[in-house]
Amino acid sequence: NAGVTQTPKFRVLKTGQSMTLLCAQDMNHEYMYWYRQDPGMGLRLIHYSVGEGTTAKGEVPDGYNVSRLKKQNFLLGLESAAPSQTSVYFCASTRQHYNEQFFGPGTRLTVL
Amino acid sequence: GENVEQHPSTLSVQEGDSAVIKCTYSDSASNYFPWYKQELGKRPQLIIDIRSNVGEKKDQRIAVTLNKTAKHFSLHITETQPEDSAVYFCAASIVGNNDMRFGAGTRLTVKP
Repeated sequence: NAGVTQTPKFRVLKTGQSMTLLCAQDMNHEYMYWYRQDPGMGLRLIHYSVGEGTTAKGEVPDGYNVSRLKKQNFLLGLESAAPSQTSVYFCASTRQHYNEQFFGPGTRLTVL
Repeated sequence: GENVEQHPSTLSVQEGDSAVIKCTYSDSASNYFPWYKQELGKRPQLIIDIRSNVGEKKDQRIAVTLNKTAKHFSLHITETQPEDSAVYFCAASIVGNNDMRFGAGTRLTVKP
């Protein structure tokens, strides 16, 4: 059981470039989440999904898009990266909403 | 939307002492309150959680208390050890909304 994995671990982008972060889980969880973590601000929810084919906006969705084409994968896209999107991105999954969220190892993204 | 405030932002204690971290939330409909521990460079991991139908929950050296009337909940760590040093996050979940709002975090340092 790999749990929750994220690809890539690190990435440096130039302003205006695009990229996709991949989150995968092998626990058959229904719910998946994308957070960003910035110093002094805790974890902020970007988008989430309550099942295959469904997505919803979280607290800070602007500048990001997501897709959940397969139950085990949740993709986070940045269409035109901005320096304000420099952050550590965590993916998480859970079986039901009021259960423990299992986090991936994180992706450190720097936008120059 | 829900707003979670966490205090203090940093906490330093001597090994063996107790540590208390407090959080307040704004939405009285919230009914799930987890606490996560994040060691340096690692992913957040759940250490304890409480639902609104319970006032207190204990797990060995850690405990969480909930005051629904005052809309605050606290994490208590007794007999602290150096390995308790980490950043701790509280969170609150809104009923009927799969959003999870986190506090800004408390950096706990346990001095040997």
